Amino acid sequence: TQLLEQSPQFLSIQEGENLTVYCNSSSVFSSLQWYRQEPGEGPVLLVTVVTGGEVKKLKRLTFQFGDARKDSSLHITAAQPGDTGLYLCAGDRDYKLSFGAGTTVTVRA
Amino acid sequence: KAGVTQTPRYLIKTRGQQVTLSCSPISGHRSVSWYQQTPGQGLQFLFEYFSETQRNKGNFPGRFSGRQFSNSRSEMNVSTLELGDSALYLCASSSSTGSTEAFFGQGTRLTVV
Repeated sequence: TQLLEQSPQFLSIQEGENLTVYCNSSSVFSSLQWYRQEPGEGPVLLVTVVTGGEVKKLKRLTFQFGDARKDSSLHITAAQPGDTGLYLCAGDRDYKLSFGAGTTVTVRA
Repeated sequence: KAGVTQTPRYLIKTRGQQVTLSCSPISGHRSVSWYQQTPGQGLQFLFEYFSETQRNKGNFPGRFSGRQFSNSRSEMNVSTLELGDSALYLCASSSSTGSTEAFFGQGTRLTVV
């Protein structure tokens, strides 16, 4: 059983559309990190959120940490084909990362 | 600065054999973690080493072991390979400032036949 549940598992959208990926848990985390992984590569850190209710923006990507520090969301505005990849959330508890199963995002041109 | 380097990139082994994978962390990073990634289970934590000591361990059988050297380079070993050990093995390094932000290598793709 995954400590972090990600939804949806797969997402296929047209270029220019918006999308949201969710990461939920019943556990509280010290921080939550989002990574993107492309085929044949290791995950790359996108952002870390630490404070409950925190919102961080990275160009067209908006990350939010839930008030109770149990959940997070990633919103992409006007998605582009370059946003295609596997998005992973990871929660930090006692200096140990637990990863969600990931959301595979495909943006069609 | 150079990223995390894992060798080899690809490996094919026969059931029952053993394998050793290598990881060189980012210069200055003293924490090295290992993960197994499979389509069915996702990213599963194997273990973490800090200053040559295993600091955290995941729920994997004793066939999976690791070590870290004084220069922070790390190796993981899998003995008596099983078909189910086929996976992408990822190494990640973190700075020694208490951060868990992980910088991953490209991984070693292990296929057990």
